[in-house]
Amino acid sequence: ETGVTQTPRHLVMGMTNKKSLKCEQHLGHNAMYWYKQSAKKPLELMFVYSLEERVENNSVPSRFSPECPNSSHLFLHLHTLQPEDSALYLCASSLSQFMYEQFFGPGTRLTVL
Amino acid sequence: AQSVSQHNHHVILSEAASLELGCNYSYGGTVNLFWYVQYPGQHLQLLLKYFSGDPLVKGIKGFEAEFIKSKFSFNLRKPSVQWSDTAEYFCAVRREYGNKLVFGAGTILRVKS
Repeated sequence: ETGVTQTPRHLVMGMTNKKSLKCEQHLGHNAMYWYKQSAKKPLELMFVYSLEERVENNSVPSRFSPECPNSSHLFLHLHTLQPEDSALYLCASSLSQFMYEQFFGPGTRLTVL
Repeated sequence: AQSVSQHNHHVILSEAASLELGCNYSYGGTVNLFWYVQYPGQHLQLLLKYFSGDPLVKGIKGFEAEFIKSKFSFNLRKPSVQWSDTAEYFCAVRREYGNKLVFGAGTILRVKS
């Protein structure tokens, strides 16, 4: 499989649940990103990882917890979310965090009840 | 903080009409500029990018964009649109050597056949 993949594609969870989103890139890239895409709002950067180290946390609440075990995988752990967290969560990767374009996955559509 | 403005949220054109989508950004320093496209049911794909050099850049599928530094603009153009160009178009800006990609709110283009 090529490119950036994300699982699950759809997720419905209650406010007390704990779930995780997974992203995998097959491009040999060293930087990975989480974005949030809400209706009628611009894409918002959440986290940046470079060489498995978190280099940016864009003021994201602690109920979102990222993890990057290696340069090919990125997780977003979710717990005690709010209904306003319902959105499309996009993962992206790039060759490095600087100077290169980002390649995006298809996203996980999250609904918090 | 950087911001990106896309002037039109919805554009409706007939096939063969010319297209110009506006994009302006607020950062005064050197920037990298991108246009991404999201076709219905698909993920974000890079249309074209500008890092340096000729301010008129050619992308895929007959799209081009012109960087006008004095106007802080990077407008997307296509001389003759097709029904298959129906999609949402996103302008994005990043400071040179920065790692944060800032997106505009997107423009939904509908091409009538």
